[in-house]
Amino acid sequence: EAGVAQSPRYKIIEKRQSVAFWCNPISGHATLYWYQQILGQGPKLLIQFQNNGVVDDSQLPKDRFSAERLKGVDSTLKIQPAKLEDSAVYLCASSLAGQGAEAFFGQGTRLTVV
Amino acid sequence: QKEVEQNSGPLSVPEGAIASLNCTYSDRGSQSFFWYRQYSGKSPELIMFIYSNGDKEDGRFTAQLNKASQYVSLLIRDSQPSDSATYLCAFKAAGNKLTFGGGTRVLVKP
Repeated sequence: EAGVAQSPRYKIIEKRQSVAFWCNPISGHATLYWYQQILGQGPKLLIQFQNNGVVDDSQLPKDRFSAERLKGVDSTLKIQPAKLEDSAVYLCASSLAGQGAEAFFGQGTRLTVV
Repeated sequence: QKEVEQNSGPLSVPEGAIASLNCTYSDRGSQSFFWYRQYSGKSPELIMFIYSNGDKEDGRFTAQLNKASQYVSLLIRDSQPSDSATYLCAFKAAGNKLTFGGGTRVLVKP
């Protein structure tokens, strides 16, 4: 079974530039999560999709971050414009629907804003 | 109050000893609880999940859940240097929202 795929693995941009991350979840997983993990902290949920609908985006800084999940499969997360404090690892995870379902993580994208 | 509280550590344990990690959560609607392990520079991977009060054992790992006290713990028996990592507590509440704590760093010394 193929895992969660993310790209790119690393990205360095200047502040005020834009950047996009891509995620391909495990086939059949209806739930998709995007997390931001700052060094030394736990993952912070940015947005959760169920199929192609948003379930929770309460912690997504909507003035600069946006996300979509086309056709309930792949997802993209965009930052525009980036700030220095956006430097973090962006993790995508997917799971089957259900309370006991395990979330599987991709390798993450390490973003550095300079 | 944070939704999930964990001691950040580091928790230093000698090889072969028991490591005990604790986690408290604030959402009484939480239904499932997870322990993930994260090695430095890697993504989290699931160790165990538990949803009923009591203990659940899997190899050297035991998860304990007390919903009345809003408390979940993880015991690692016969700790090995390869267990050195950050352990993340997480819970699922309504809508399958998966919320993580800040993690506890564990160092197992040979």
